[in-house]
Formats: sequence, structure tokens, C-alpha cells
Amino acid sequence: DQQVKQNSPSLSVQEGRISILNCDYTNSMFDYFLWYKKYPAEGPTFLISISSIKDKNEDGRFTVFLNKSAKHLSLHIVPSQPGDSAVYFCAPRRGGGSEKLVFGKGTKLTVNP
Amino acid sequence: DTGVSQNPRHKITKRGQNVTFRCDPISEHNRLYWYRQTLGQGPEFLTYFQNEAQLEKSRLLSDRFSAERPKGSFSTLEIQRTEQGDSAMYLCASSPDSSYNEQFFGPGTRLTVL
Repeated sequence: DQQVKQNSPSLSVQEGRISILNCDYTNSMFDYFLWYKKYPAEGPTFLISISSIKDKNEDGRFTVFLNKSAKHLSLHIVPSQPGDSAVYFCAPRRGGGSEKLVFGKGTKLTVNP
Repeated sequence: DTGVSQNPRHKITKRGQNVTFRCDPISEHNRLYWYRQTLGQGPEFLTYFQNEAQLEKSRLLSDRFSAERPKGSFSTLEIQRTEQGDSAMYLCASSPDSSYNEQFFGPGTRLTVL
């Protein structure tokens, strides 16, 4: 039972353009949504988060949008830079007192110079 | 370096052997987590400690797996009678004690069971 789906295994964009990474979930108990990026041979690095009571959170070049009715969130990166090339994971928190993060399979972003 | 540290970074063992990994969280972080990541998948939750108390355990944590955090600081994850299916990256994370907070991950320990 895959509760978190990142349906695009990979995404390629040109430097300076917008990158949009998508995530769909099925569990309405999720109460906090995090995005992590991961470089090879390193642990995941926290990027940005959003509470379930909000629909948008912005931090510099990164913006996360949450549509609870559609159980969908997206991460926008503008402008994209070659250093953003990494695997991005959507990771909602289970909620209901649980601290468990449920990760998607990830989307590999490549930003071409 | 004030990040989460994990040792060893790599471990190669033969099937049937026991292995132990160590995680040192960020100082003053009360919460500590273990995850496992296999190729092509996202990290999967194994267990969670608040101080020395183990508050959550995944069904993935079979009888062969045990985790401890005896003094509420570092943690160990032991796998007994390793199997080839245990080959994975074992990730440790920590976070402060608040309602909304991100988990900070260490670099992981890569286990290969031959």
C-alpha cells in the first residue's frame, strides 16, 4: 500500500527555468509535509515543509503548495540551478501522535546548464 | 561538526553474522529515528526514540533487529543473523522536541550482506 506517490521518477529542466515536482498521497491523517533532497552517498537534507493547515510556504527559491482536497502537493524551484540536481523526496508525517515520516520513491531532478 | 554522525559508514558482512551500527544525534536533540533505504526506494521508518524511550516501532523491525538508546544520547541498531535482504542503507535522524520540526539525517551506514 503506497501511501505517497511521486509519479515522475525523473525530471530534466534548463538552468533558470522552473522545476515542479509533484507528490500525491492517500492518507488524510498526514499532518505535516516535508521535502528532502538527497545527493549520492549522503543522507537526505531537509529542504522545506508545510503544515496541513496551510496551502503555501515559501523559502527563497523554493515554494511548496498543498491542496488537501486533492491530496496533492508540489515543490516549485525558481530559478533552477545546476546545484539543485539531486533526488527529491516528499515525506509526510503520519500524524495522530506519530513522528513517522512516510517517504515517496523520489524524483531525480537534473538541471542542465 | 554538529550534524548527525553514523559509524561505520560501510559494513560488509557474511550472512548469519551479527552487526551493530551507532548513531550520534545532534546534541540536545531529544528525538532519534532509524530508517532503512533500499535501491530505488525512499527511506522506510524503522523506529523512534524520545530520550531513552522507544515510542514507535515498525513492522519492518523483525525479531532480529533491536535498537537501543540507553542514556538518551547515542543509539545503536543491531541486526542478528543477517540475511542478504538486510543489505541496505541504514539512516539515522534526530530532531528537537517540538510539534513541528524537521528530522536531520546522518550520512547513513551502507550494509552489504554477502
